[in-house]
Amino acid sequence: QKEVEQDPGPLSVPEGAIVSLNCTYSNSAFQYFMWYRQYSRKGPELLMYTYSSGNKEDGRFTAQVDKSSKYISLFIRDSQPSDSATYLCATLRAGNTPLVFGKGTRLSVIA
Amino acid sequence: ETGVTQSPTHLIKTRGQQVTLRCSSQSGHNTVSWYQQALGQGPQFIFQYYREEENGRGNFPPRFSGLQFPNYSSELNVNALELDDSALYLCASSFAGMTSVYNEQFFGPGTRLTVL
Repeated sequence: QKEVEQDPGPLSVPEGAIVSLNCTYSNSAFQYFMWYRQYSRKGPELLMYTYSSGNKEDGRFTAQVDKSSKYISLFIRDSQPSDSATYLCATLRAGNTPLVFGKGTRLSVIA
Repeated sequence: ETGVTQSPTHLIKTRGQQVTLRCSSQSGHNTVSWYQQALGQGPQFIFQYYREEENGRGNFPPRFSGLQFPNYSSELNVNALELDDSALYLCASSFAGMTSVYNEQFFGPGTRLTVL
């Protein structure tokens, strides 16, 4: 079993839709949970990170972590064509440990 | 402030050859991590360098090796290239202090390696 599981999609939605992206993880030692966005032929860029369980909102993006079920979610409201990218969830045990990524979900937002 | 840069952008090699990829870390950062991202997969951790010493290694064979220089830039060397080494190689820099708090890793654009 991979440490972080993520449905690779692809996922295609109309502009303005609410997008829900999800990951599960297996190791309860993970403490930090990140969502990265990766455009084609670019490196990943950090969208949001959360520590422990709970919600975190940043503009149209909301990250949610449920440590009891080992479930990570990213919600995108009012999706835009510019949101079309691959979204990677990632986890960390502690500050300077390696990132453990999911496979990534390829999202297309159609105008 | 200059971000993380990597060179070259693209590289084509044949099986059995050796390759060196380079990464310049962001100003003020002392840690560089290297990741391999195969097509359609998430990045996989190769190794990390902190203050010129290897500080952790993923499940990669010894023919993957690295260096970090006093200015915290880094190299990734791969010997005896195999077809499966074809991937996007990403480096990420961060600042690691004395505590275990979260330190954001900033990624470069990657080097796309094709092995024929």
